[in-house]
Amino acid sequence: QVQLVESGGGVVQPGGSLRLSCAASGFTFNKYPMHWVRQAPGKGLEWVAVIWFDGSSKYYADSVKGRFTISRDNSKNMLYLQMDSLRAEDTAVYHCARNSLGYTHFFDSWGQGTLVTVSP
Amino acid sequence: EIVMTQSPATLSVSPGERATLSCRASQSVGTYLAWFQQKPGQGPRLLIYGASTRATGIPARFSGSGSGTEFTLTISSLQSEDFAVYFCQQYDNWPPWTFGQGTKVEIK
Repeated sequence: QVQLVESGGGVVQPGGSLRLSCAASGFTFNKYPMHWVRQAPGKGLEWVAVIWFDGSSKYYADSVKGRFTISRDNSKNMLYLQMDSLRAEDTAVYHCARNSLGYTHFFDSWGQGTLVTVSP
Repeated sequence: EIVMTQSPATLSVSPGERATLSCRASQSVGTYLAWFQQKPGQGPRLLIYGASTRATGIPARFSGSGSGTEFTLTISSLQSEDFAVYFCQQYDNWPPWTFGQGTKVEIK
């Protein structure tokens, strides 16, 4: 079955950097676009970034543009999120999510997330 | 950016009763609307896509309806495992993909 397992979260100071990873299994990873979505404590869901199945296209939320970089390694079935210039408002649980196949783009599988805390 | 608004914020329902959750889009999204269930400490689980199509393995007591700007998720007879937070999401106009703020379904 589809499994998405995030790692790399932790506590970091404002202005610092962190790299999140998402290990994918149970499906043909290189066929699917992949997303990062975050959820601040007690809040709703905020889409962060997407990368196309072959890495050819990437899109970012305005709130992270220029600070975060999404990437993937299809040979390792891994998705990454490099987070630089972190701010307190980036504190959240970060989930990776699989995009559906085909011409529509909804999120059909999610990981349980990894917590990032930005604090002095 | 399309803004998604869910109501109510909290819904108190007794087991076995019907629950009706609403989601409104700030502009038409056609039927490009998904519903998710989230329990504490877990990632969201896809329930409904295309406004009314149940995802694989989702029980028939979950149903979705609507199009354009008004959508509804109905849980026909609440089971203990259904008490959770529910989110709607539009995927018509992206980026960004946008979510409602969630409806918490709690035990009455």
